[in-house]
Amino acid sequence: QQPVQSPQAVILREGEDAVINCSSSKALYSVHWYRQKHGEAPVFLMILLKGGEQKGHEKISASFNEKKQQSSLYLTASQLSYSGTYFCGTGGLAGNTPLVFGKGTRLSVIA
Amino acid sequence: DSGVTQTPKHLITATGQRVTLRCSPRSGDLSVYWYQQSLDQGLQFLIQYYNGEERAKGNILERFSAQQFPDLHSELNLSSLELGDSALYFCASSVRGTVNEKLFFGSGTQLSVL
Repeated sequence: QQPVQSPQAVILREGEDAVINCSSSKALYSVHWYRQKHGEAPVFLMILLKGGEQKGHEKISASFNEKKQQSSLYLTASQLSYSGTYFCGTGGLAGNTPLVFGKGTRLSVIA
Repeated sequence: DSGVTQTPKHLITATGQRVTLRCSPRSGDLSVYWYQQSLDQGLQFLIQYYNGEERAKGNILERFSAQQFPDLHSELNLSSLELGDSALYFCASSVRGTVNEKLFFGSGTQLSVL
């Protein structure tokens, strides 16, 4: 079942913060975050596993609330290079179930 | 460069035709995934292979088929093409094909069905 991402799109000025949410109706084993720039392939940002804690990558971090089956991606002090579409991918409890991606959140950072 | 190679980059064909998309995974990766990306649906999972065997199947149409060969490259075959099949098709790979591994995506094949 496809996870739901919100918001669908967001526009930020450089230096502003943003939060992207990802929720699932199924119990989750893992949550992945990827960023796709226009015309390019998705690129891995981070994985959060069941029982894991908040993780970080540059000024981008994420949390995973297993009980609520939700994950949030935090972008702080955004830079122009953060522009792109962010996808969350969720993996089920079976461990070997493939990643199912949300529809994405389009983030635009302007000067 | 992710190390995943997809060919061709662009493909233009007509309705009713059949095409084959090719993917070579990163060296050492045993699992290959195929995803379809259209504007309004995001990344839709089609099918996964691990070491030559089908491991998981998503919303893949019966007109579509795939396989992974002994050298681990994979092909996605799309037949009786319809206008709605126009999309960007991504291949991704990982070492063991489990959900606690990151995926490396190829640059995609843009399919246009006219």
